[in-house]
Amino acid sequence: DAGVIQSPRHEVTEMGQEVTLRCKPISGHDYLFWYRQTMMRGLELLIYFNNNVPIDDSGMPEDRFSAKMPNASFSTLKIQPSEPRDSAVYFCASRPFTENTEAFFGQGTRLTVV
Amino acid sequence: QKEVEQNSGPLSVPEGAIASLNCTYSDRGSQSFFWYRQYSGKSPELIMFIYSNGDKEDGRFTAQLNKASQYVSLLIRDSQPSDSATYLCAVNNAGNMLTFGGGTRLMVKP
Repeated sequence: DAGVIQSPRHEVTEMGQEVTLRCKPISGHDYLFWYRQTMMRGLELLIYFNNNVPIDDSGMPEDRFSAKMPNASFSTLKIQPSEPRDSAVYFCASRPFTENTEAFFGQGTRLTVV
Repeated sequence: QKEVEQNSGPLSVPEGAIASLNCTYSDRGSQSFFWYRQYSGKSPELIMFIYSNGDKEDGRFTAQLNKASQYVSLLIRDSQPSDSATYLCAVNNAGNMLTFGGGTRLMVKP
């Protein structure tokens, strides 16, 4: 398996624009996580899914953020409208259901909102 | 709120010394604990995990868990400059949610 795949790797956008980040988890993994990493706040969990169903979205900062997982092999994180304070590295990670197993991270998307 | 706390560092140790990284967590129901390493500009990668009280050794790395004190640590023996990175402690909460601490930056000086 190629691992967790995220796209794009880098995104520069203007304030107010819509941004869509994409993630393909490892095949067979039951959980998918979206994290945001900044120097100030570290690695924050935004939302996670189990078998394509959102389980906890309490980390989503505000209504401008939304995430979907239409099937087991694809998820999106959308920001609309984007703001400069959304600039961060966004990671997607997946893990199997088996207890005590690690989460595998994608390469991340570095988002810059100007 | 489920919290995981780490000293942000930087923790500076000389090459060959033992580096000791610490982590505390608030959720007493947490069952398993992970240490990840993250190099600058890269994604986190697993070093090891632990779920039983006591020590777990893997090469130069030893994870220690004390559930009564809600404390996890990572020891790195014979530290190398290549160990210089940020180390993230992660806790598996109810619902298989993985919560990360802020990370400790380790610098190993030749």
